[in-house]
This record gives sequence, C-alpha cells and structure tokens, in this order.
Amino acid sequence: AQKVTQAQTEISVVEKEDVTLDCVYETRDTTYYLFWYKQPPSGELVFLIRRNSFDEQNEISGRYSWNFQKSTSSFNFTITASQVVDSAVYFCALSGGPGGSNYKLTFGKGTLLTVNP
Amino acid sequence: SQTIHQWPATLVQPVGSPLSLECTVEGTSNPNLYWYRQAAGRGLQLLFYSVGIGQISSEVPQNLSASRPQDRQFILSSKKLLLSDSGFYLCAWSRAGELFFGEGSRLTVL
Repeated sequence: AQKVTQAQTEISVVEKEDVTLDCVYETRDTTYYLFWYKQPPSGELVFLIRRNSFDEQNEISGRYSWNFQKSTSSFNFTITASQVVDSAVYFCALSGGPGGSNYKLTFGKGTLLTVNP
Repeated sequence: SQTIHQWPATLVQPVGSPLSLECTVEGTSNPNLYWYRQAAGRGLQLLFYSVGIGQISSEVPQNLSASRPQDRQFILSSKKLLLSDSGFYLCAWSRAGELFFGEGSRLTVL
C-alpha cells in the first residue's frame, strides 16, 4: 500500500525566512509520481509540481525548489524568502504509473504554513 | 482550455436527507474523473474514480455513491446523509500525470 507522511503539521515563520516542508513516501511501485499541491484558504487545490520516479534531478521554480531523494524516499519542498501569500496548507501526494486507476493520488495529511509579516 | 466546475459550492443539509453534487469538465474528452473528500484534519481521501461513462470504482465503503451519466459529468450522491458525511468534496480530472481539481463543495450535515 502507498503512504505519504508529512510529519510537520504546522509551521510558522516570519516573512523572508526560508522554510522546508518535509515529505516521506512509501510505495512498492517501481514507477510512480510525486506531487505537491497548495491549498490556500479559498479551498481549491493548486498544482505545484509533478516528479516521476526516474527523474531525481532537483527542480527550482522561482522561490520554490524541490529535493527528490529516492534513497531516503523523500520529496521535500523549500520556499525561499517566504511571503505572506505563501500561507496555505501544502500537500504532498503519490501515485502509481500512468493509466486510469494509477492516477489515484495518495495524499499526506498536509502541512499548514503560516507566514507572518 | 480545459475547465472543471463543481456545484453547489456550499450545502447545509439535515441528517437523513439526500445529496447530489455535480461536476463537469469542459475542453477535453474521455477524462479520468475523481471524487475526493477532505474531512476535518485536512487529509484528502479518494472516494470514487471513473475511467469512462458508467464505469465507477469505489475506494472505500461508505454512505455515498457516484455516477457518470455522460463523458464529462460526474455526480456524487447519497440517499440519506449522515453527520460523518460532512466535509469538503473535491472533483478532479487527470491528464498526463496531473490532477486538476474543481473549486470544491463544502457540505455540512446537521
């Protein structure tokens, strides 16, 4: 069975601080995808990134960066120079390989990030 | 471009009443469709998914059912709501490994 663990329930930082959200996953699939979603107070889930299991290259997008380490089954998310607008719940998710049923995502419980001015 | 819509956005229903949440996708054909629920505590749980018209797979036994009467329409229903059905329901469709979510429907059962 697949499992995603986000050990940090809540994180509070001051604006401009860097913050890392942890994600550890478990799967028996050899091909899988990892995702991060942002859920602002409005409730809608916003897609941030997808990474497939064969691509361990870290990715940077503006102030966001992701560190995928297969050896430790982790897919951590770092926000550099955090801003108040980054305040949201962030979900890490895992799915199996391509195909209808395998796009079922298993979500972690989320990390509530609060960025204070 | 593709869009996904859910309604109603907010619903307050008494225990024992029926439920119907509707989701439609536009701008794509034969999408995989999903219903997720987010209960208190923020975790998202997959309830149903569908790979085609009339094809519904249930992930967890519960008081809810889903139907897909048309290619781009996905409906979540209940004949008699329970208090435990309260939550935030999200419809989604997938393409090329990405899952796109609707705006969500917040259900409160009193």
